Amino acid sequence: NAGVTQTPKFQVLKTGQSMTLQCAQDMNHEYMSWYRQDPGMGLRLIHYSVGAGITDQGEVPNGYNVSRSTTEDFPLRLLSAAPSQTSVYFCASSSRYEQYFGPGTRLTVT
Amino acid sequence: GQSLEQPSEVTAVEGAIVQINCTYQTSGFYGLSWYQQHDGGAPTFLSYNALDGLEETGRFSSFLSRSDSYGYLLLQELQMKDSASYFCAVLAGTGFQKLVFGTGTRLLVSP
Repeated sequence: NAGVTQTPKFQVLKTGQSMTLQCAQDMNHEYMSWYRQDPGMGLRLIHYSVGAGITDQGEVPNGYNVSRSTTEDFPLRLLSAAPSQTSVYFCASSSRYEQYFGPGTRLTVT
Repeated sequence: GQSLEQPSEVTAVEGAIVQINCTYQTSGFYGLSWYQQHDGGAPTFLSYNALDGLEETGRFSSFLSRSDSYGYLLLQELQMKDSASYFCAVLAGTGFQKLVFGTGTRLLVSP
């Protein structure tokens, strides 16, 4: 099992560009989430999904979109990148209370 | 609102015991989790308490008091590899996805 995979590992964007962060899991988990982590901070929930076709907003959803067409994949779209979105992004999946995190994507917006 | 408070940094020596406290105020509460994160790495799950009391997993134990909105992580027989950040997180919704994280405690273990 690969667990939770994320691509790319690193990305640099210019202000106003859009992009999609990819996340996939092979554990057949119902629940998937996206978090961002800023330096010296905890993780903040952006969006989450409780199953294919079902998504909802977390604490900091503005500027991000998600969709969940399959159990395995949960991409995160940045609509128009801003410097405030410079962060490390983690995807996670779970079947119950234990969340499994991917390795993260380090995003810089200039 | 949602807030979780943890000390920002704790230092200890190898072989010692350290306790990391967490107090929380959240609009919903279904359980308290603890995660470990090494520099540059992803968070990894350590423990979960839904009910009051102590849960033990090897060298790590976690405690919860729902009436006091308080929990702690106890690390025994500290090793150098335990140097990392430790986050408490409240499961704040009925689904298992609404985790609210604290800002983390950086543990430095010295020889």
